[in-house]
Amino acid sequence: DVKVTQSSRYLVKRTGEKVFLECVQDMDHENMFWYRQDPGLGLRLIYFSYDVKMKEKGDIPEGYSVSREKKERFSLILESASTNQTSMYLCASSLMGQGYGYTFGSGTRLTVV
Amino acid sequence: AQKVTQAQTEISVVEKEDVTLDCVYETRDTTYYLFWYKQPPSGELVFLIRRNSFDEQNEISGRYSWNFQKSTSSFNFTITASQVVDSAVYFCALSEDDYGQNFVFGPGTRLSVLP
Repeated sequence: DVKVTQSSRYLVKRTGEKVFLECVQDMDHENMFWYRQDPGLGLRLIYFSYDVKMKEKGDIPEGYSVSREKKERFSLILESASTNQTSMYLCASSLMGQGYGYTFGSGTRLTVV
Repeated sequence: AQKVTQAQTEISVVEKEDVTLDCVYETRDTTYYLFWYKQPPSGELVFLIRRNSFDEQNEISGRYSWNFQKSTSSFNFTITASQVVDSAVYFCALSEDDYGQNFVFGPGTRLSVLP
């Protein structure tokens, strides 16, 4: 069964901490994505990557960075967590090309206190 | 610019009722793909269906059916004889880029099926 795995289901961090959210896919997908989901705001794209070491900003990259050192792994980094980054974070992956659907992970619910 | 509208923010139905979730999209491309995803309380978005712009055939999968009408730019989703397990947030999405990197998701419709 193909999968996107996010390392943590729930995470509580303190303001100012450096936070790493990890995502691993086993489908050899080129594209990987990080979204955040907030009530009333839907899904918003933070960053995506289409190859190792390649990244592109999404709609709301401020306060975040990403790392893709291996094809299967895409990390989201909060350099200095703030309370307004409390959210559900969803990772997704897809094959490169038109018409391929995204496969999503189960999400990480991050609370910054 | 691409846009996806799901006008129904929340819907509540009683079990066994039929329910239709609306999706209206905007695009200037002639080649595009439409998707529906289900997000149950567990959080993971689950793929339900993909439709390309050249295939207007309606599709039925068990209790689920989809009505794609290019003339009205709509891709509506109907659940027949709803069940409590259908309670979830449902997202419609549009993709038209060549690399699959620019999905546009609608805001989602929260469906509650009451016993």
